Amino acid sequence: GESVGLHLPTLSVQEGDNSIINCAYSNSASDYFIWYKQESGKGPQFIIDIRSNMDKRQGQRVTVLLNKTVKHLSLQIAATQPGDSAVYFCAENPTLTGTASKLTFGTGTRLQVTL
Amino acid sequence: DAGVTQSPTHLIKTRGQHVTLRCSPISGHKSVSWYQQVLGQGPQFIFQYYEKEERGRGNFPDRFSARQFPNYSSELNVNALLLGDSALYLCASSLRGFQETQYFGPGTRLLVL
Repeated sequence: GESVGLHLPTLSVQEGDNSIINCAYSNSASDYFIWYKQESGKGPQFIIDIRSNMDKRQGQRVTVLLNKTVKHLSLQIAATQPGDSAVYFCAENPTLTGTASKLTFGTGTRLQVTL
Repeated sequence: DAGVTQSPTHLIKTRGQHVTLRCSPISGHKSVSWYQQVLGQGPQFIFQYYEKEERGRGNFPDRFSARQFPNYSSELNVNALLLGDSALYLCASSLRGFQETQYFGPGTRLLVL
């Protein structure tokens, strides 16, 4: 995964607004992607996933968009709530790892929801 | 339904010691993966096991080893601890362990002094 040390990119959003978190992935052979949410002191929590044969997938209040041409992934959160405050990671699963599911995590983004 | 469980939650060791971390996957899941997360960074892959066989290994030294038991629980062992091994160690489980969602446990926070 990419390292940005202690200075995570931060997105500050007002409660009720929509949030868009972006992620650039590195491996063109990746065909499975997952977004995780990690709250302080906890393990990553699954949000939504998408396979490379899709360019959009929707869940409850969340949408993931995949642009394989530019190797870009985004997570959209509708009507952002204070409980959405956390660090968000995208993860890719390259097929070149054979039968292993070796997730490679991207640079996390800290989402801060203001009242 | 119980999620992935890990023990202990916190651990303090000194340099040179060894440590064993434990993980129980979600019921019905046969694959367990281990990740190391240093403060401020994303998790990094250490090992994956499926049906007691090692399926993948990340770029970690031989001081790190793991195994999976017949009940699909797993242990991660780290020998000759270094200060740089201080991290959150995460276990993730999945049904078959290939191109599918991995569900993470709460992690074990290891501090090496």
